[in-house]
Amino acid sequence: GDSVTQMEGPVTLSEEAFLTINCTYTATGYPSLFWYVQYPGEGLQLLLKATKADDKGSNKGFEATYRKETTSFHLEKGSVQVSDSAVYFCALVPKDSNYQLIWGAGTKLIIKP
Amino acid sequence: SQTIHQWPATLVQPVGSPLSLECTVEGTSNPNLYWYRQAAGRGLQLLFYSVGIGQISSEVPQNLSASRPQDRQFILSSKKLLLSDSGFYLCAWDGRRNTIYFGEGSWLTVV
Repeated sequence: GDSVTQMEGPVTLSEEAFLTINCTYTATGYPSLFWYVQYPGEGLQLLLKATKADDKGSNKGFEATYRKETTSFHLEKGSVQVSDSAVYFCALVPKDSNYQLIWGAGTKLIIKP
Repeated sequence: SQTIHQWPATLVQPVGSPLSLECTVEGTSNPNLYWYRQAAGRGLQLLFYSVGIGQISSEVPQNLSASRPQDRQFILSSKKLLLSDSGFYLCAWDGRRNTIYFGEGSWLTVV
């Protein structure tokens, strides 16, 4: 079945470091891909998304490119801030679904000043 | 604009007591609605989803139940809570282009 695999955390970086959180998926066809972020004590928020191959989603300095050839949707940011500390979830919606998300396990990001 | 609210935000309940978490969506009609649970240190688990009034699909067998008495209202319930029911519960609805929007979440601690 369809699945999402993301790198285990926690990921600990210093402020202004470059961030990559890996996400790969298994799915038939062309699913839609998402990154959600959960700040401490809060619910989830959509960070960015991409709905077709080679699309690049971007928001708040974060980017992710839908790579069909490598079935990946890695999250990147050029210079992280302490306020980026959160749990990041990669997810997909299969091509022919009723919007049921398939989630990765989440990656906790800790940014130290 | 569309909004989603759930409550209560936090609650502490004894084992064996009942539970009711409520979620409402405003600004849209006939949304798909979802209840997720996030246990400590773990990812998201889909519990229930609903495509319409009175239509509930359960993803995980457990002592929880869900109901949708109105188009934009989704309720998560239990008759007798277990310790393992502790966690962070999230209500969600889906918008356009396969995007899901979450409520603020409800922290449940069963003691």
